[in-house]
Amino acid sequence: EIVMTQSPATLSVSPGERATLSCRASQSVNSNLAWYQQKPGQAPRLLISGASTRATGIPARFSGSGSGTEFTLTISSLQSEDFAVYYCQQYNNWPRAFGQGTKVEIK
Amino acid sequence: EVQLVESGGGLVQPGGSLRLSCAATGVTLSNSEMNWVRQAPGKGLEWVSFISSSGTPTYYADSVKGRFTISRDNAKNSLYLLMNSLRAEDTAVYFCARDRSIFDGSFDCWGQGTLVTVSS
Repeated sequence: EIVMTQSPATLSVSPGERATLSCRASQSVNSNLAWYQQKPGQAPRLLISGASTRATGIPARFSGSGSGTEFTLTISSLQSEDFAVYYCQQYNNWPRAFGQGTKVEIK
Repeated sequence: EVQLVESGGGLVQPGGSLRLSCAATGVTLSNSEMNWVRQAPGKGLEWVSFISSSGTPTYYADSVKGRFTISRDNAKNSLYLLMNSLRAEDTAVYFCARDRSIFDGSFDCWGQGTLVTVSS
């Protein structure tokens, strides 16, 4: 079973600043890695699939990189609507697995 | 517009059963691989189960294997999750979610979720 570990647990960032979120897999997941954004009381929203492909309608300030076991989600200039919890998810192996999440909060 | 709507959640006693449903509009589910994902109160996301577009194969998280059964009725454009032998730790919001494609197991469409509470 693959374990996904996200860091940091909480990231305090000022609006307009850059945010960098990390996700590590316990074994290689190739590029079968997705990122989601979740706001309170809402379902998650797909941001990135295939480690680096933005989903439909996702702004260009969101970018993903990495392969194998190390992945990064970068938000280039945080907007007020970007403060949320972000999850990574691997779909290379069964069972599929999420990381524990990174909360991006206003500094 | 693609929309998934879950129903069937509620309060159930430990050891009891519940059947969740996920109805789709704006999309033909028979073409889609589907999943259930849950989120305990104040916690992160946990993948629960998968079913292919044809109905087989199916996969389960170890935490629910042998107790939960995923199924679908493509004629009714619906997905189901039968949950037996429920435990307090099964308390969560349950989401249905669609695989982006047969080759991409990211979840590009989610329902709003239905709350299951297991308590005496």
